[in-house]
Amino acid sequence: AQSVTQLGSHVSVSEGALVLLRCNYSSSVPPYLFWYVQYPNQGLQLLLKYTSAATLVKGINGFEAEFKKSETSFHLTTPSAHMSDAAEYFCAVRNYGGSQGNLIFGKGTKLSVKP
Amino acid sequence: DTAVSQTPKYLVTQMGNDKSIKCEQNLGHDTMYWYKQDSKKFLKIMFSYNNKELIINETVPNRFSPKSPDKAHLNLHINSLELGDSAVYFCASSQDPTSVKTQYFGPGTRLLVL
Repeated sequence: AQSVTQLGSHVSVSEGALVLLRCNYSSSVPPYLFWYVQYPNQGLQLLLKYTSAATLVKGINGFEAEFKKSETSFHLTTPSAHMSDAAEYFCAVRNYGGSQGNLIFGKGTKLSVKP
Repeated sequence: DTAVSQTPKYLVTQMGNDKSIKCEQNLGHDTMYWYKQDSKKFLKIMFSYNNKELIINETVPNRFSPKSPDKAHLNLHINSLELGDSAVYFCASSQDPTSVKTQYFGPGTRLLVL
């Protein structure tokens, strides 16, 4: 069975600081990994995805994530936090089971940005 | 221009009532999903349809019944609503279930059962 674990349910940084949101995965097959962002009272928006091409994936809004097979990790970073980055961030792995294709989500990390 | 739309956005109802949530996508995708987000923000798959056929049916009470009249629509009907059904329900779509094309999510329907 596949799963993802997000370490830290809440991360707080100052504006302009580095942001690191952690995600570790468990998968018996090469995983397809995603980061989604959810702004307050809104739906989910894809930030970036890893589909076995380049291990360093660049996404929208200045975010990037690096796939590290040896560490089974797919951490999300941005070098300088903006107030507008405050949101809930979800790491997800695509279900490899047959023709299903649904996403299996982590529990989410809430990012707060202090002025 | 909305890719995946849901109606209603908010739904407040009494225990025991029956309600429906509608979802439509204009992306030409073959696969649609329903996810439930609980009060702790945890997201979990409920159902998935591919070309109007059910391909995922997670452990969800029989009170929940999805219906896909065509590839662009996936509706969710809930009978005899219970307090525990209060959650945010997200519809999503993707090109097909086997590729890694992006899943696009709707804005969510916030259901509150009193």
